[in-house]
Amino acid sequence: DSGVTQTPKHLITATGQRVTLRCSPRSGDLSVYWYQQSLDQGLQFLIQYYNGEERAKGNILERFSAQQFPDLHSELNLSSLELGDSALYFCASSVGAGLAGVGVEQFFGPGTRLTVL
Amino acid sequence: TQLLEQSPQFLSIQEGENLTVYCNSSSVFSSLQWYRQEPGEGPVLLVTVVTGGEVKKLKRLTFQFGDARKDSSLHITAAQPGDTGLYLCAGAGSGGSNYKLTFGKGTLLTVNP
Repeated sequence: DSGVTQTPKHLITATGQRVTLRCSPRSGDLSVYWYQQSLDQGLQFLIQYYNGEERAKGNILERFSAQQFPDLHSELNLSSLELGDSALYFCASSVGAGLAGVGVEQFFGPGTRLTVL
Repeated sequence: TQLLEQSPQFLSIQEGENLTVYCNSSSVFSSLQWYRQEPGEGPVLLVTVVTGGEVKKLKRLTFQFGDARKDSSLHITAAQPGDTGLYLCAGAGSGGSNYKLTFGKGTLLTVNP
């Protein structure tokens, strides 16, 4: 158990709908990261928040958005869903935002499996 | 864009065999991490290598970071069924993007009893 929690574990919805995925980081971690994992693309970095502010953006679609709240939990909002959005969505957390010269250690949650029908 | 290529993509071996998986890139990384992911779970960090040429050992697992910090390898000695999983390498970029991890697509290892 990494200490990172994600809800829901599974989500089935229809095309065109909007869903919200939730993540609670490990106690004391200020950074939250969102990743999408699919069979063909592998694990893709979407976005990072550090202490409530957006820190870095990866391959995140405009239909997707995220935020980190004052209590440090984060939500990933996916709208106008398409079949291709079906994937595993992981949240990870770390203590800091990264140290110069050393990759920050990230702890991953169990993921949310999204199925778009 | 920094890309990491992992090989082989799939590997199925018998218990007790040795194996090596590779992670290669044309880009330099400030550090490189190896994760193992089991079905239905998130990746779990195994090791971080930082210095070019660095070798780290974790029981039966040996990790090496290339001298130029562009590639890495993971060697498993006397593999066991419990080693089964998806092995992912992830590189942290240099400079201001060193917190952003780029993942390879992974090597799916199956160790048969």
